[in-house]
Amino acid sequence: DQQVKQNSPSLSVQEGRISILNCDYTNSMFDYFLWYKKYPAEGPTFLISISSIKDKNEDGRFTVFLNKSAKHLSLHIVPSQPGDSAVYFCAARVYNTDKLIFGTGTRLQVFP
Amino acid sequence: DTAVSQTPKYLVTQMGNDKSIKCEQNLGHDTMYWYKQDSKKFLKIMFSYNNKELIINETVPNRFSPKSPDKAHLNLHINSLELGDSAVYFCASSQDSGGFADTQYFGPGTRLTVL
Repeated sequence: DQQVKQNSPSLSVQEGRISILNCDYTNSMFDYFLWYKKYPAEGPTFLISISSIKDKNEDGRFTVFLNKSAKHLSLHIVPSQPGDSAVYFCAARVYNTDKLIFGTGTRLQVFP
Repeated sequence: DTAVSQTPKYLVTQMGNDKSIKCEQNLGHDTMYWYKQDSKKFLKIMFSYNNKELIINETVPNRFSPKSPDKAHLNLHINSLELGDSAVYFCASSQDSGGFADTQYFGPGTRLTVL
């Protein structure tokens, strides 16, 4: 029973263009959504989050959009850079707990 | 000065053995976690401790026993290792800020291989 889904296992984008990573969830009992970035042989690192009461949060080149009616969120990276090449995990926090439910990740490759 | 460290980084062992993975955080955080990432890349929470008290305990076999000697350390002991225990285990920590989505900081992971 996968409550957080990232249906695209990989994405390839040219440097300078926009990268859009998608995430769907099935449970309404989430109060925050987070994106983590992971390089090989390292642990995930926090990138950006959004509260369930908002529909957009922006931090530099990274913007997360939340569509509650569709139970869908997306991460936009613009402009994409080669250093952004990594696996991106979407995560949802169970309401008022420390429990995060992770998706299976999307591998982003940014090529010159 | 690594924020969340784990030892060992790699662990290869035989079925039936008992092994431990150690985790330390120097961030002064109150909460620590253990996650398991299996071969299908699912990253799932196993346990969390807040100030040495068990908070989250998912449906994990009781062969897995976390131990928190102090709030900076959370070790994971696994008894009678099975092939299915092969995975990457991540430790994480966060500061309890009272209801907000506290950022969890992850260690580099321990790749456990059971032969």
